[in-house]
Amino acid sequence: EVQLVESGGGLVKPGGSLRLSCEGSGFAFSSYSMNWVRQAPGKGLEWVSSISSSSSYIYYADSVKGRFTISRDNAKNSLYLQMNSLRAEDTAVFYCARDPTHYCTSPPCYSYNYYGMDVWGQGTTVTVSS
Amino acid sequence: DIQLTQSPSFLSASVGDRVTITCRASQGISNYLAWYQQKPGKAPKLLIYAASTLQSGVPSRFSGSGSGTEFTLTISSLQPEDFATYYCQQLNSHPPYTFGQGTKLGIK
Repeated sequence: EVQLVESGGGLVKPGGSLRLSCEGSGFAFSSYSMNWVRQAPGKGLEWVSSISSSSSYIYYADSVKGRFTISRDNAKNSLYLQMNSLRAEDTAVFYCARDPTHYCTSPPCYSYNYYGMDVWGQGTTVTVSS
Repeated sequence: DIQLTQSPSFLSASVGDRVTITCRASQGISNYLAWYQQKPGKAPKLLIYAASTLQSGVPSRFSGSGSGTEFTLTISSLQPEDFATYYCQQLNSHPPYTFGQGTKLGIK
């Protein structure tokens, strides 16, 4: 069964740090770009960060740039998100998600297509509060 | 960054109804758009990618169309399990991704 399982969420004080993990199983983890997406309580989905299959390309939302670091270990089928300088507004459920899309980083890319985030974890909750 | 605007934000409908949700992009994104369904307390589920391609296992009552800046998600005959929140999302070549703000589909 294709599966992503997140862990590492919890309660942390403002200014604190937390490291989230996401373990994939049932598929060739090293072949896929991976993402972190979050959802604050009662709000919509917000993309946080992405990493390409070989870690060559890494992207962050402006809201987390300089505070969060995405990484992966393909030998362990694992994705990580190191979160530093946490703020109350970072309180959210964090999901990891797989994306089969091959990014077009040097256009034009005539074969580019977007396949969507097709597998999601169950989410892990991060609460930033004093 | 590319912005996505969904309409309506809330929609009430009955079982058996045909419903359409619209997603507008702030600039042309060809067909680089996906639709997701999310139920309370659950992760999003991919319904449609490349604007109109049905994800494997998704019922055929769901369909997507559009290109450029205007896209639609249509549910041809609402079923009880379809009451949920729906999001559009784009990826125009590489991140950043953008999500629409969501459309909550409720029971009339």
